[in-house]
Amino acid sequence: EAAVTQSPRSKVAVTGGKVTLSCHQTNNHDYMYWYRQDTGHGLRLIHYSYVADSTEKGDIPDGYKASRPSQENFSLILELASLSQTAVYFCASSERDRYAEQFFGPGTRLTVL
Amino acid sequence: AQKVTQTQTSISVVEKTTVTMDCVYETRDSSYFLFWYKQTASGEIVFLIRQDSYKKENATVGHYSLNFQKPKSSIGLIITATQIEDSAVYFCAMRDRSSGSWQLIFGSGTQLTVMP
Repeated sequence: EAAVTQSPRSKVAVTGGKVTLSCHQTNNHDYMYWYRQDTGHGLRLIHYSYVADSTEKGDIPDGYKASRPSQENFSLILELASLSQTAVYFCASSERDRYAEQFFGPGTRLTVL
Repeated sequence: AQKVTQTQTSISVVEKTTVTMDCVYETRDSSYFLFWYKQTASGEIVFLIRQDSYKKENATVGHYSLNFQKPKSSIGLIITATQIEDSAVYFCAMRDRSSGSWQLIFGSGTQLTVMP
């Protein structure tokens, strides 16, 4: 069954440390996305990618980097984690059609102390 | 700028009744797509239903249907014969041509509680 998986599912990081969140999809989708969800809020786009080896900035890219080494894998990197980056992070994938729905991973709960 | 607004923070209904969740959007484009997603208590996010702006007919999938009122920039989600397992947070989202990035703009969500 096609799926989007994320690792780790939860992580505690220290302020100033480096954090890498990983996403893997078996949907054979061109597009992949990283969203952030804060408690009681909707999803906000951080970075996205429509092809391997290329990433684009979303609405809130500051403090985050992304890497798409292959069609299946998409990583989100926090070089210097900060308290304000405590949130749940979701990865998603979709076909390239404008009407295509996005398929979400289970999320990663990140706590920065 | 694109914007999606869900003014209902939470709704409670009795099982087997019908509920409507509101959503209004802002866009300058004549062509756009509207989506509803459900987030369960476990955090899982799943796609429910989509409305294409150029279609006059309201979309229907299972016991989910939409009330698309284009002149009011409104897309309500209707759940008929609600079940306990429909309890979740429901998000409205929009994609239009100005979203050249193919990104979805999400509303803040409505918490639905279905009581026995």
